[in-house]
Amino acid sequence: GENVEQHPSTLSVQEGDSAVIKCTYSDSASNYFPWYKQELGKRPQLIIDIRSNVGEKKDQRIAVTLNKTAKHFSLHITETQPEDSAVYFCAAKTDRGSTLGRLYFGRGTQLTVWP
Amino acid sequence: EAQVTQNPRYLITVTGKKLTVTCSQNMNHEYMSWYRQDPGLGLRQIYYSMNVEVTDKGDVPEGYKVSRKEKRNFPLILESPSPNQTSLYFCASSSGTSGGNEQFFGPGTRLTVL
Repeated sequence: GENVEQHPSTLSVQEGDSAVIKCTYSDSASNYFPWYKQELGKRPQLIIDIRSNVGEKKDQRIAVTLNKTAKHFSLHITETQPEDSAVYFCAAKTDRGSTLGRLYFGRGTQLTVWP
Repeated sequence: EAQVTQNPRYLITVTGKKLTVTCSQNMNHEYMSWYRQDPGLGLRQIYYSMNVEVTDKGDVPEGYKVSRKEKRNFPLILESPSPNQTSLYFCASSSGTSGGNEQFFGPGTRLTVL
């Protein structure tokens, strides 16, 4: 099955700085890459996603880039704010055969934004 | 309101006492899934279901059972819970299996097995 690796596991930045979280995946058939944010004590919630036919997607201060050749994708948060502090998960989804529809998650990145 | 619900939200039990965690969604989603979340290990899939009466093992299915008799419900059953099943459990659903379909998570169930 798919294997998603996520780095770093923890990330501390000063308010206003940028934060970058990187993920790699192993299955070339993966075609959907969402990012989830989980605040303390809450459920994971989708913040942005990208499909394999797109190289970059932006939504205000958040952007995701995808390099299909290298099989990696990244989350970029600009002008970070304390409320961005959370655990972020990347994931990959494949349409291949027996794993059709499954979402494979990275282990998460604890982002802390210091005021 | 479109949502995924889980019950109970918190449960403390003892080794060997069978329990069921319920999950229900009101979005007519085909795909449902159970995850457990442990520190440093992220979200690991236990079981998933692509539609009624169709279920399959995820990455950590040992010690768990599921059923999908109705589209909206996907209960997680622990026949004989053990302390290593102490964890935070999430149910999730999405509208399909192919392409990009947002997966919606329930609020979580924190289970402690003594």
